[in-house]
Amino acid sequence: DQQVKQNSPSLSVQEGRISILNCDYTNSMFDYFLWYKKYPAEGPTFLISISSIKDKNEDGRFTVFLNKSAKHLSLHIVPSQPGDSAVYFCAASVAGGGNKLTFGTGTQLKVEL
Amino acid sequence: GAGVSQTPSNKVTEKGKYVELRCDPISGHTALYWYRQSLGQGPEFLIYFQGTGAADDSGLPNDRFFAVRPEGSVSTLKIQRTERGDSAVYLCASSLRGGGSSYNEQFFGPGTRLTVL
Repeated sequence: DQQVKQNSPSLSVQEGRISILNCDYTNSMFDYFLWYKKYPAEGPTFLISISSIKDKNEDGRFTVFLNKSAKHLSLHIVPSQPGDSAVYFCAASVAGGGNKLTFGTGTQLKVEL
Repeated sequence: GAGVSQTPSNKVTEKGKYVELRCDPISGHTALYWYRQSLGQGPEFLIYFQGTGAADDSGLPNDRFFAVRPEGSVSTLKIQRTERGDSAVYLCASSLRGGGSSYNEQFFGPGTRLTVL
């Protein structure tokens, strides 16, 4: 049972444009959501997060939106840069659950010149 | 300071053999996590330590998998009688604390790529 889903395995965007990565979840107990970025042969690195009590969190070029009623979150990157090319994982956590993360399958973002 | 380190970076073994994977967390981090990432999948939780004790081992797939953290720092993931299906990247992460009502950021190591022939 995939509790966190990323239905787009890949996304290609031109440099300077907006990248939108989507994530859906099924477990209503999730109350903290994160995006991780992963380059080949490296571990995932934390990018941005959002608590379930908010619907938007912004950090520089990165914004995460949360729609609890739809159990959907998205990551917006604007403007996209070639260095953003990586695999992006959506992850979720349950308060009191020891912070263990449930990950989606990832979206490979390619930012083209 | 240094990040999370994992050794070896690559491990090739034969079916039926025993392997140990090591994780050195960030100094001072009390919580340590093991995840497994199979090809085309996201990382999947295996086990979580708070200090020396395993607080949650619900993700371990079967009794061939075992992990220890005897002094509350370095952890070793042990896999007995390896099978081809165990081939994956094994990721370790640490955080300042685990549990509680607020999230504590997890910092990941580069992983150990295990290949079982």
